[in-house]
Amino acid sequence: KAGVTQTPRYLIKTRGQQVTLSCSPISGHRSVSWYQQTPGQGLQFLFEYFSETQRNKGNFPGRFSGRQFSNSRSEMNVSTLELGDSALYLCASSLHGSGEQYFGPGTRLTVT
Amino acid sequence: DAKTTQPNSMESNEEEPVHLPCNHSTISGTDYIHWYRQLPSQGPEYVIHGLTSNVNNRMASLAIAEDRKSSTLILHRATLRDAAVYYCILRQANQAGTALIFGKGTTLSVSS
Repeated sequence: KAGVTQTPRYLIKTRGQQVTLSCSPISGHRSVSWYQQTPGQGLQFLFEYFSETQRNKGNFPGRFSGRQFSNSRSEMNVSTLELGDSALYLCASSLHGSGEQYFGPGTRLTVT
Repeated sequence: DAKTTQPNSMESNEEEPVHLPCNHSTISGTDYIHWYRQLPSQGPEYVIHGLTSNVNNRMASLAIAEDRKSSTLILHRATLRDAAVYYCILRQANQAGTALIFGKGTTLSVSS
């Protein structure tokens, strides 16, 4: 079974721009979660989508948003990028929304 | 959320057993104990989880104290590939959604 895939793997953007990241979960998995990882803050939960509905949201500003499609693929969007948004963005999928999650390789976003 | 405490770092030699401790003195009766690890330049990887009884899988064993205030992840024979950051995470059994709260984890170094 193919694992979680994320595209693109690397991205460089300029302050003020917006960015969209994509995540394809493991086939059959209905829950997709997003995390941000930085050296200073570590791994932080952004939000979770289950059956196209946002079920949980972490403590991030409204510039961070996401959505999930009927095929369970998910996208996250960051608007008005700031330097502090430079991070590794990780996507994880799970079958029923349990604690056993499968992570993708991440998208490395650099904001200049 | 109940918190976990782990040593910042540990060292091991190849082919020796490794015992990674985790303290969670404020754990509630419905909290599952999850372990994830993150290899360099990769997303986190699920290792094992348990509630009360010790658990074994192909990757590791999880030993849970009788009072559940601590647990130990056991790698029976460390390999160089086991060098990673290991995270001990508590997650409520009835928690809606998949949000995992990651701490700093333990950085395991393995020498040949």
